Amino acid sequence: GEEVAQTPKHLVRGEGQKAKLYCAPIKGHSYVFWYQQVLKNEFKFLISFQNENVFDETGMPKERFSAKCLPNSPCSLEIQATKLEDSAVYFCASSQSTGREKLFFGSGTQLSVL
Amino acid sequence: KQEVTQIPAALSVPEGENLVLNCSFTDSAIYNLQWFRQDPGKGLTSLLLIQSSQREQTSGRLNASLDKSSGRSTLYIAASQPGDSATYLCAVRQTGANNLFFGTGTRLTVIP
Repeated sequence: GEEVAQTPKHLVRGEGQKAKLYCAPIKGHSYVFWYQQVLKNEFKFLISFQNENVFDETGMPKERFSAKCLPNSPCSLEIQATKLEDSAVYFCASSQSTGREKLFFGSGTQLSVL
Repeated sequence: KQEVTQIPAALSVPEGENLVLNCSFTDSAIYNLQWFRQDPGKGLTSLLLIQSSQREQTSGRLNASLDKSSGRSTLYIAASQPGDSATYLCAVRQTGANNLFFGTGTRLTVIP
């Protein structure tokens, strides 16, 4: 597609439940990034992929967060046993082959943990 | 660790005015810098991308400059319109890395 598609737009989970977010990058883009926006303008990098391979996962809280980008499937970000502080907007972005070009962002998934 | 700061945090201007948004970063070893706008409840829209070897980029009424050695970038918006109201974010990509470090954002309101 011509835009980064994220689903769902909103997700509500009780504390301790699992949350799974999806992202379809722009067709032809090899790099996928996940960012977390907790406060209004604070973006935290979580993880990036080059095709289906993890490229950089330095931002991932590994105990409960995991992510995948499998061939012919949307990428996913999964949070096991959600906590209140996981409430945030999760953005997915993609870029072309070099990974150093313009980043195109999806409209995000608002996760609310109650 | 790279830190990116934007000043001012919020700005209100009457329609038609020219304005400048500022972005500063602490580590000058950057690969490029990108300006985005974010509308309420929406994702980020890329406005301009400046490579480290460039001094400026222009798109329509927008002009972004980069002074890598001093760790600064500005986004100039000419003849502002109410539709320009949004939060503007700058983000830098470090040399040798792929992820972006985001600034704190400037919330712009253009008053009709």
